[in-house]
Amino acid sequence: KAGVTQTPRYLIKTRGQQVTLSCSPISGHRSVSWYQQTPGQGLQFLFEYFSETQRNKGNFPGRFSGRQFSNSRSEMNVSTLELGDSALYLCASSLAEQETQYFGPGTRLLVL
Amino acid sequence: LAKTTQPISMDSYEGQEVNITCSHNNIATNDYITWYQQFPSQGPRFIIQGYKTKVTNEVASLFIPADRKSSTLSLPRVSLSDTAVYYCLVGLYNTDKLIFGTGTRLQVFP
Repeated sequence: KAGVTQTPRYLIKTRGQQVTLSCSPISGHRSVSWYQQTPGQGLQFLFEYFSETQRNKGNFPGRFSGRQFSNSRSEMNVSTLELGDSALYLCASSLAEQETQYFGPGTRLLVL
Repeated sequence: LAKTTQPISMDSYEGQEVNITCSHNNIATNDYITWYQQFPSQGPRFIIQGYKTKVTNEVASLFIPADRKSSTLSLPRVSLSDTAVYYCLVGLYNTDKLIFGTGTRLQVFP
């Protein structure tokens, strides 16, 4: 069974731009979570989606948003990019809420 | 949410057994203990999960004492490719999101 896939793998943007990242969960998984990882803050939870509904949200500004489609694929969007948004963005999927999460390879975003 | 404490780093040599201990004093009754491995610029990889006593799979063993206030991840006969950061998480089944601590950076030397 294919693992979690994320696209693109690498991205370079400039301050003020917006970006959309995509995540395809493992087949059959209905829950998708997003995390941001930086050297200074470590791994931080962004939000979780299940059945196209946002179930939980971490402590991030409103510039960070996401959505989930009927096929469980998910996207996250960051608007008005700041230098501090440079990070590895990780997507994880699970069969359902509160089940073991499996991570994708991540999207490395660099904001210049 | 249960807070975890792990050593920041550990060193080992190829072929040795490595034991990484995690403290979680305020673990709740319904909490599970899960370990992830992460290589640089990759997503964390699920290693093992347990609730009590001992769990073993093809890559590791997890030892959990009766009081469940700590757990030990055991990696038998490590190789250079086991060099990574290892995260201990508690409460997967009682929380809606994963809380990652600082993890333990394991360095395996030849």
